[in-house]
Amino acid sequence: EPEVTQTPSHQVTQMGQEVILRCVPISNHLYFYWYRQILGQKVEFLVSFYNNEISEKSEIFDDQFSVERPDGSNFTLKIRSTKLEDSAMYFCASIKTWGNEKLFFGSGTQLSVL
Amino acid sequence: GENVEQHPSTLSVQEGDSAVIKCTYSDSASNYFPWYKQELGKGPQLIIDIRSNVGEKKDQRIAVTLNKTAKHFSLHITETQPEDSAVYFCAASVNYGGSQGNLIFGKGTKLSVKP
Repeated sequence: EPEVTQTPSHQVTQMGQEVILRCVPISNHLYFYWYRQILGQKVEFLVSFYNNEISEKSEIFDDQFSVERPDGSNFTLKIRSTKLEDSAMYFCASIKTWGNEKLFFGSGTQLSVL
Repeated sequence: GENVEQHPSTLSVQEGDSAVIKCTYSDSASNYFPWYKQELGKGPQLIIDIRSNVGEKKDQRIAVTLNKTAKHFSLHITETQPEDSAVYFCAASVNYGGSQGNLIFGKGTKLSVKP
């Protein structure tokens, strides 16, 4: 079964450093998402992306965050200057087509900011 | 905006018993309600979903019911097995404009099935 893959599975960084989280969505999917889950809390929407631009973003997704689809397969989340409170599990997800809401999640990247 | 509340936060049942998890939502415009199962170290996996034009949906041992008037929906797992142990999340989707796929999640229910 096709799946969303994320790398790395764990990322440790120093506060103030830039990090890039990488995702390869399912190959024929067109809509891409980043969610995050702070330990013990609910999964929160960050941003959606379609046709090489952001469709929607939450209040969490401030100027420190950016997303990019640098080629035909990868989808990245960049945090420019990490803060302690950015420590969380970050999930990439994708949907095949508009009107099909079945969201497929990757296994996540655990980001620890020290 | 939409807010989803989920109860209970933890649930422990004996193998073979049924488990019920309940969620309420606030925005009457929500029209899609998926349930996700998250096992340790993995991402959420869709297990069942329901749209607002349907009151109940079943898939083998799991079922979801939706009451639009009361704005609540529930997950029912029958004949529970140890491998059902996981965290279950409900979610609601307010699909308008560009919000496709913007799921609002509940806080999760940790289900433990004891052999």
